[in-house]
Amino acid sequence: QQPVQSPQAVILREGEDAVINCSSSKALYSVHWYRQKHGEAPVFLMILLKGGEQKGHEKISASFNEKKQQSSLYLTASQLSYSGTYFCGTAATDKLIFGTGTRLQVFP
Amino acid sequence: DAGVTQSPTHLIKTRGQQVTLRCSPISGHKSVSWYQQVLGQGPQFIFQYYEKEERGRGNFPDRFSARQFPNYSSELNVNALLLGDSALYLCASSARQIGSSYNSPLHFGNGTRLTVT
Repeated sequence: QQPVQSPQAVILREGEDAVINCSSSKALYSVHWYRQKHGEAPVFLMILLKGGEQKGHEKISASFNEKKQQSSLYLTASQLSYSGTYFCGTAATDKLIFGTGTRLQVFP
Repeated sequence: DAGVTQSPTHLIKTRGQQVTLRCSPISGHKSVSWYQQVLGQGPQFIFQYYEKEERGRGNFPDRFSARQFPNYSSELNVNALLLGDSALYLCASSARQIGSSYNSPLHFGNGTRLTVT
């Protein structure tokens, strides 16, 4: 039931791009994305509600393919501040279920 | 406006003891959810309380309990602590009850780091 994210970890140089994927075995109504920096709480990035919808946050955007039950997070021209662990979340009957996480490290 | 506040920030307990963690949601938010996050893993759902009633419970033993007060603040209690209970406990608030069509952000507090020795 927990969404599976890939890759598990990504290492980037500043300015490089990355894609993080989130797959669910259940039908999705929405997909949430959060970023958690080391020692801090998860911070909300965006929610996608419709199949094929794309939303953006700074240079971070995401897509949601409802039929495939997948979402992807796109980080373009990465900055040092993008470092952290990214979690997707899917809404269930009484909770938000977080994915397995993708650790992103951006180096100068 | 103040965000979600949790106390204490750090706690060290020994096995067998009991612990109470506290959370104050964002003003106007009526839903509080508790999550346990073990190092290197995603947050695992423990409870959701909405309008002072339990609306959801995760796969945790009965040693874990919670409640929500009339001012919507919440407490998480863990009895008979085990070493495996060592984790970051996160509280998240939302304006609406979380359900399968939930489409609003969750706002997290900075968490309580519990260490059981």
